[in-house]
Amino acid sequence: EPEVTQTPSHQVTQMGQEVILRCVPISNHLYFYWYRQILGQKVEFLVSFYNNEISEKSEIFDDQFSVERPDGSNFTLKIRSTKLEDSAMYFCASSEADFTDTQYFGPGTRLTVL
Amino acid sequence: AQKVTQAQTEISVVEKEDVTLDCVYETRDTTYYLFWYKQPPSGELVFLIRRNSFDEQNEISGRYSWNFQKSTSSFNFTITASQVVDSAVYFCALANYGGATNKLIFGTGTLLAVQP
Repeated sequence: EPEVTQTPSHQVTQMGQEVILRCVPISNHLYFYWYRQILGQKVEFLVSFYNNEISEKSEIFDDQFSVERPDGSNFTLKIRSTKLEDSAMYFCASSEADFTDTQYFGPGTRLTVL
Repeated sequence: AQKVTQAQTEISVVEKEDVTLDCVYETRDTTYYLFWYKQPPSGELVFLIRRNSFDEQNEISGRYSWNFQKSTSSFNFTITASQVVDSAVYFCALANYGGATNKLIFGTGTLLAVQP
């Protein structure tokens, strides 16, 4: 069964460093998302992406964040200068038809900022 | 405003007990979708069900069942004869149709612990 994959599973970085989190959505899906979950808290929306552009972004998704679909399979989240409060689990998701279609999530990347 | 409330933070049951997880939502839209996801201790988010606002029929899938009531804006999830493998955090989520927002709005989750 097709699934969303994410790499790395765990990333440790120093404050101020740039990180790139990578995702491979399900191949026939057209809508892509990033969410994050701070430990023990709820899942929060960061950004949605369709047709090579951002459809919506949350207040969390400030200028330090960017997303890109560099080729036909990858979808990346870049954090330009990480802060301690960026430590969280980051989930990529994709859906096939539209933004209300079922979103299938990847296994997540745990980001630890020291 | 759109909001999902899961008032039960933690529930502990003994194996084979039935358990119901509550979900109450708020939205001004007439067309919307509701979801349940399971997050086991390994951390991934597993899709369980998607239901649109025009379909109020209850759904049963094995030991899982869902009760959708628009009159009370609730979409509750029942596990019958719970098992230890059901131990997880369960999230209810809402998506609005029509392009105004393009995201899932999650509740805070309910941690279900099933004791052997």
